[in-house]
Amino acid sequence: EPEVTQTPSHQVTQMGQEVILRCVPISNHLYFYWYRQILGQKVEFLVSFYNNEISEKSEIFDDQFSVERPDGSNFTLKIRSTKLEDSAMYFCASTRDRGNQPQHFGDGTRLSIL
Amino acid sequence: SQQGEEDPQALSIQEGENATMNCSYKTSINNLQWYRQNSGRGLVHLILIRSNEREKHSGRLRVTLDTSKKSSSLLITASRAADTASYFCATASPQETSGSRLTFGEGTQLTVNP
Repeated sequence: EPEVTQTPSHQVTQMGQEVILRCVPISNHLYFYWYRQILGQKVEFLVSFYNNEISEKSEIFDDQFSVERPDGSNFTLKIRSTKLEDSAMYFCASTRDRGNQPQHFGDGTRLSIL
Repeated sequence: SQQGEEDPQALSIQEGENATMNCSYKTSINNLQWYRQNSGRGLVHLILIRSNEREKHSGRLRVTLDTSKKSSSLLITASRAADTASYFCATASPQETSGSRLTFGEGTQLTVNP
């Protein structure tokens, strides 16, 4: 069964550094999402992406964040200057269509900011 | 206001017993989805119920939806130790924009004792 894959599984970075989290969505999917989960808390929506542009973003997704689909397979989340509070699990998800579709999640990247 | 609140926060049962988890939400929805998360892993989609459906079954899972009370329940019958995980409900709201963000609840930690 096709899967969403995320790399790396764990990223440790110094505060103030830039990080890029990578995702390969399921190949025939058109809608892409990033979520984060701070340890012990619920999963929070960050951004959705369709047709090479952001379709919706949450208040968490400020100017420090950006997303890109640099080629036909990768979907990346960049955090420009990391803060301690960016430490979390970051999940990528994708769906084939909009509407009543389950979202398929990757196993996540654990981001630790020191 | 908080969308997608589950209760109980934690549930501990014996193998073979049934487990019931509840979820409440506040805004109108397109659908409600249940996900499972094993410790340190990604979210696995279990079942999606549309706003015009009242009940849905999948194997040992039974989901109900009451849109008048803005609540849903997930029943796992004949539980197994392997069902031990966190269970989250997530709502997808009607959106004019492309894609459909999910709003997650706090989750229920289910422990099934062998």
